Amino acid sequence: EAQVTQNPRYLITVTGKKLTVTCSQNMNHEYMSWYRQDPGLGLRQIYYSMNVEVTDKGDVPEGYKVSRKEKRNFPLILESPSPNQTSLYFCASRQSSGNTIYFGEGSWLTVV
Amino acid sequence: QKEVEQDPGPLSVPEGAIVSLNCTYSNSAFQYFMWYRQYSRKGPELLMYTYSSGNKEDGRFTAQVDKSSKYISLFIRDSQPSDSATYLCAMKGDTGGFKTIFGAGTRLFVKA
Repeated sequence: EAQVTQNPRYLITVTGKKLTVTCSQNMNHEYMSWYRQDPGLGLRQIYYSMNVEVTDKGDVPEGYKVSRKEKRNFPLILESPSPNQTSLYFCASRQSSGNTIYFGEGSWLTVV
Repeated sequence: QKEVEQDPGPLSVPEGAIVSLNCTYSNSAFQYFMWYRQYSRKGPELLMYTYSSGNKEDGRFTAQVDKSSKYISLFIRDSQPSDSATYLCAMKGDTGGFKTIFGAGTRLFVKA
């Protein structure tokens, strides 16, 4: 089954404690990205990657890091989480020439 | 001004009603117009997409694009409680690298 898998799905953490949200896709997609979704603000892109070792900032990259060492994986790293990073996070992928974006199930992150 | 404007709702209708969901946009370079459906605690999934202007029908769903007015619509006929979800419009330019821009999403409730 074609899917984007992200973990953890739910996480409560404390300010300043580094965390990583993993993302993996099994569709051999070149393009992967991370979004955060907040009430009234919709989906905002954090980072994206056009291919292995190629990453770039989206609209709200501050406080986040990513890496793309393998085509299927695109982890999101919060080096020092703060309460304003409490949000619902989605990993997504698509073919480089395609228009359909495939989303993961989402990761609910609470920073206290 | 946001590139894509979408009324967040919520929109509450009785079962069987015709639902109209709309977005306006400002970037005339957009060529692909998509509607994603997001159920509670799930990732968005592509519902329909159209290229340039015109209508597209898929069962009870019809997508309309009016590029002259920079206005897109999604109509749901004979709405069902299972249609209760958040509907996000999304738009993209004509090249593979052009970013997809999402509306904030309209929350729809269909009451039995």
